[in-house]
Amino acid sequence: QVHLQESGPGLVKPSGTLSLTCAVSGGSISTSNWWTWVRQPPGKRLEWIGEIFHKGNTNYNPSLEGRVTISVDTSKNQFSLKLNSVTAADTAVYYCAREWGTFFDPWGQGTLVTVSS
Amino acid sequence: EIVLTQSPATLSLSPGERATLSCRASQSVSSHLAWYQHKPGQAPRLLIYDASDRASGIPARFSGSGSGTHFTLTISSLEPEDFAVYYCQQRSSWWTFGQGTKVEVK
Repeated sequence: QVHLQESGPGLVKPSGTLSLTCAVSGGSISTSNWWTWVRQPPGKRLEWIGEIFHKGNTNYNPSLEGRVTISVDTSKNQFSLKLNSVTAADTAVYYCAREWGTFFDPWGQGTLVTVSS
Repeated sequence: EIVLTQSPATLSLSPGERATLSCRASQSVSSHLAWYQHKPGQAPRLLIYDASDRASGIPARFSGSGSGTHFTLTISSLEPEDFAVYYCQQRSSWWTFGQGTKVEVK
């Protein structure tokens, strides 16, 4: 059974770079699935950030394009998120998940990232 | 961007009662709509995909219906563990989610 676990700093300074990793266990990342990042700011709805295929193909939410980079490391069976020039508006719980074309399953438990000086 | 609007925002019910949650899309999403259950501190859990297909391990009291722009998630008889927030999700040009419906104990 595939399990996903997010990790990374819980506090990032304004104008800095948010960096998170999603470790995939119980199965290979090199499958026909895409892998995705989602976030939920406090009191707001879930927002899709972007997705990656194990060959490195990516798609991003247009509202974040230009600040976001998603990469994959198949040797470590993980994928990563970098978000530049962060502000308080980027404070959120960040989730990673596996895509199946029309839904996500499973999701990671999520990690809270706070942007503050 | 397709906007998903869920209603009601909060549903106050007692265990054993029926819950009916609505999700409306600003444009047709065909039957490509999923529902998730989310509890604090936990990973969101897939319940329903493609509008009406129950995910593996999901109890039969959860059912989904609808197509086009109007979808419904029904919980036939609420169990104590069903009190949570429920989200709908779709993908057109990119993925979007509804704002959620909180099912709380009355």
